[in-house]
Amino acid sequence: ETGVTQTPRHLVMGMTNKKSLKCEQHLGHNAMYWYKQSAKKPLELMFVYSLEERVENNSVPSRFSPECPNSSHLFLHLHTLQPEDSALYLCASSQAPVTDTQYFGPGTRLTVL
Amino acid sequence: KQEVTQIPAALSVPEGENLVLNCSFTDSAIYNLQWFRQDPGKGLTSLLLIQSSQREQTSGRLNASLDKSSGRSTLYIAASQPGDSATYLCAVNSGGSNYKLTFGKGTLLTVNP
Repeated sequence: ETGVTQTPRHLVMGMTNKKSLKCEQHLGHNAMYWYKQSAKKPLELMFVYSLEERVENNSVPSRFSPECPNSSHLFLHLHTLQPEDSALYLCASSQAPVTDTQYFGPGTRLTVL
Repeated sequence: KQEVTQIPAALSVPEGENLVLNCSFTDSAIYNLQWFRQDPGKGLTSLLLIQSSQREQTSGRLNASLDKSSGRSTLYIAASQPGDSATYLCAVNSGGSNYKLTFGKGTLLTVNP
């Protein structure tokens, strides 16, 4: 696999479920990101990791919990979500944080019932 | 707070036409600006990244300009093709190492054969 991959591509979960989104980058980059894309709203940056250390958390509710075990993998752990959390969740990576070109994965389409 | 606006929200043109997409931002103190393309149900593809010290960047039929003082950027697409149909997103990095990346809502471009 090349580039940035995300699994699963689609996820339907209930409000009481716990699930995780996975992102993997095969580009040798040092920074990884989680974004949320909701209908009719601009793309929102959620978390930034640089060299496996979280460097940005844009006031995201605690029901979203990121994890970056190494520079190639990024997870987003989900628990007790709300229907308004339904969105496309995109992962991206870059060589340097934000100042460099970002490469995106295909996204996970999340539906919360 | 940085705000990014893209005009028009949607654009439909015949094949072969040259076109311009507009992006404006409220805070001119930016580090760089990036144009992305997003196909339906997919992630983003980076098209061009312009650093704050640059005036324009070119890649093939695409040319992006930046006027930081007036808070504007344009994406010029020459000789449009049906394969150019997608949503085009403008993103502004106004935080440097503070990772403040703000996206516009995008322009949905349709190129008709």
